[in-house]
Amino acid sequence: DAKTTQPNSMESNEEEPVHLPCNHSTISGTDYIHWYRQLPSQGPEYVIHGLTSNVNNRMASLAIAEDRKSSTLILHRATLRDAAVYYCILRGNSGSARQLTFGSGTQLTVLP
Amino acid sequence: DGGITQSPKYLFRKEGQNVTLSCEQNLNHDAMYWYRQDPGQGLRLIYYSQIVNDFQKGDIAEGYSVSREKKESFPLTVTSAQKNPTAFYLCASMDSGTGWRTNEKLFFGSGTQLSVL
Repeated sequence: DAKTTQPNSMESNEEEPVHLPCNHSTISGTDYIHWYRQLPSQGPEYVIHGLTSNVNNRMASLAIAEDRKSSTLILHRATLRDAAVYYCILRGNSGSARQLTFGSGTQLTVLP
Repeated sequence: DGGITQSPKYLFRKEGQNVTLSCEQNLNHDAMYWYRQDPGQGLRLIYYSQIVNDFQKGDIAEGYSVSREKKESFPLTVTSAQKNPTAFYLCASMDSGTGWRTNEKLFFGSGTQLSVL
């Protein structure tokens, strides 16, 4: 299964945009890119996913590089409630539950 | 409201004791998963079940056991053989099991914090 690499931590000021990167250089053509976030003492929650085209929803935007070897989760205006650990994972056709293992993600700190 | 319920929120285990963590979902999902999270770490897969009456070991199954007698329920037992059980335990579910789709979402419960007395 393809792996992802994320920075351990990032900081942002409140009400400014945040760009959270994820590298996945061994991604296969059918792998979807999924993002989840985990608030303190909570279970992770789904944020967004995409395959090739950029995606937008009410929570965030996902920008996918043309070669698909990296992606960026964009929070357009960070709030204090966006402080969380953000996980990037790949989902492929193998059906292996081991694709659903989350690495240590990126800890986002939002400064007031 | 549909969702996943984990109980209890906090649990304490005495040495040599088995404890069971509850996970119930009313989303009509086929697949259910148990994860362990240690402080500052990611999520590691303990056990998963893609269909009723069937389950598979994940990456760290030693010292744990599960059952899947009903679609809605996937309890995890932390046995006395698990020598370092202190962790945050998360249960999750997904709509499809064996026929999963790559664009599906995982839904998580709010977790159980297990500590050793």
